[in-house]
Amino acid sequence: GDSVTQMEGPVTLSEEAFLTINCTYTATGYPSLFWYVQYPGEGLQLLLKATKADDKGSNKGFEATYRKETTSFHLEKGSVQVSDSAVYFCALTSNFGNEKLTFGTGTRLTIIP
Amino acid sequence: GAGVSQTPSNKVTEKGKYVELRCDPISGHTALYWYRQSLGQGPEFLIYFQGTGAADDSGLPNDRFFAVRPEGSVSTLKIQRTERGDSAVYLCASSLHQAMNTEAFFGQGTRLTVV
Repeated sequence: GDSVTQMEGPVTLSEEAFLTINCTYTATGYPSLFWYVQYPGEGLQLLLKATKADDKGSNKGFEATYRKETTSFHLEKGSVQVSDSAVYFCALTSNFGNEKLTFGTGTRLTIIP
Repeated sequence: GAGVSQTPSNKVTEKGKYVELRCDPISGHTALYWYRQSLGQGPEFLIYFQGTGAADDSGLPNDRFFAVRPEGSVSTLKIQRTERGDSAVYLCASSLHQAMNTEAFFGQGTRLTVV
């Protein structure tokens, strides 16, 4: 079945550092890929997505590129801020007419001023 | 309301009791999903509704779990004979329709604790 493997956390970085959170997937067909974020005390929010190979999703300075050859969708940000502290989830849908999401285990990110 | 609303936000119940968790999706959203998130894990799919019907209930762990959406809007997740292992955050999400790449909006969840 479908699965998502995420870089284990927690991850602690200083403000303005470069961020990478690794994500790889296993899926049949041609999945769509997502990063969701959960800020403290809030619900899950879509951060960015990519629907086909070589697409790049971007939002709030975060980027991720859909790499079919390596089955990866790594999340990156060039300069993190304290406000980026949250839990980040990589996810996919298998695009077989049912948009149920398969999530990774999540990576807790803490940014230190 | 503007977003997906889930009630109650917290529920503590005794082992063996019956509980109902409610989800009010965004108005006009025909697709509705329930997920369960255990501590330290990502959300796991339980059931998906398109309109009033359960289009995919493959994630329900056993027959103690049941969900309904009688009028195609509000949904209720029902758990019978609760067990301590049912303790988790139950998340509801809705999206505009079934079409590919439609964004799912999540509620803040109901934290269920079975003691």
